[in-house]
Amino acid sequence: AQTVTQSQPEMSVQEAETVTLSCTYDTSENNYYLFWYKQPPSRQMILVIRQEAYKQQNATENRFSVNFQKAAKSFSLKISDSQLGDTAMYFCAFMKGGGSNYKLTFGKGTLLTVNP
Amino acid sequence: NAGVMQNPRHLVRRRGQEARLRCSPMKGHSHVYWYRQLPEEGLKFMVYLQKENIIDESGMPKERFSAEFPKEGPSILRIQQVVRGDSAAYFCASSAYLDEKLFFGSGTQLSVL
Repeated sequence: AQTVTQSQPEMSVQEAETVTLSCTYDTSENNYYLFWYKQPPSRQMILVIRQEAYKQQNATENRFSVNFQKAAKSFSLKISDSQLGDTAMYFCAFMKGGGSNYKLTFGKGTLLTVNP
Repeated sequence: NAGVMQNPRHLVRRRGQEARLRCSPMKGHSHVYWYRQLPEEGLKFMVYLQKENIIDESGMPKERFSAEFPKEGPSILRIQQVVRGDSAAYFCASSAYLDEKLFFGSGTQLSVL
């Protein structure tokens, strides 16, 4: 079974600064996907970024980027130029690959607060 | 294109009552997934359905919980004889294909008194 660990229950950052959220996972699979989801107070789960394990290049979406270290089973999220609207719970998630998989395994989340 | 719609947004039930949670997937999506989020926890998979079929219910409690996705209409997650431990946020997600990006709804917060 896969496990996802987020070791930082809460973090805070000043507006316009950069913050990194940590995530580690455990799996024996070689083909899988990793995700970061954002859950603002509205409770909507919003996909922030997705990484395919077979790709060595780190995924980037505007101000959001990941540092994917496959050997270390680490998948951290970097938010640059933090904005007040980035305040939310952030969940790291894992999904097996292979075309017939659909279960996401989530970590417990990190509550990020962006301060003005 | 409307997103995944869940209703109600909040549902309060007394112990022993039934809870029915509804989910309308995004247009064109035939794969529906239900997840549960307990306080201080991440989301946990419950069940995966396609139209009229339950594909995987390995994450769903064996008793009191059931799910359906009829040919017409929304997917329904039904919890009979609710207990306090059922209090949680229940999320629905949908996708067009397997192994594809999941789109989540805003969840239904179930509170059992």
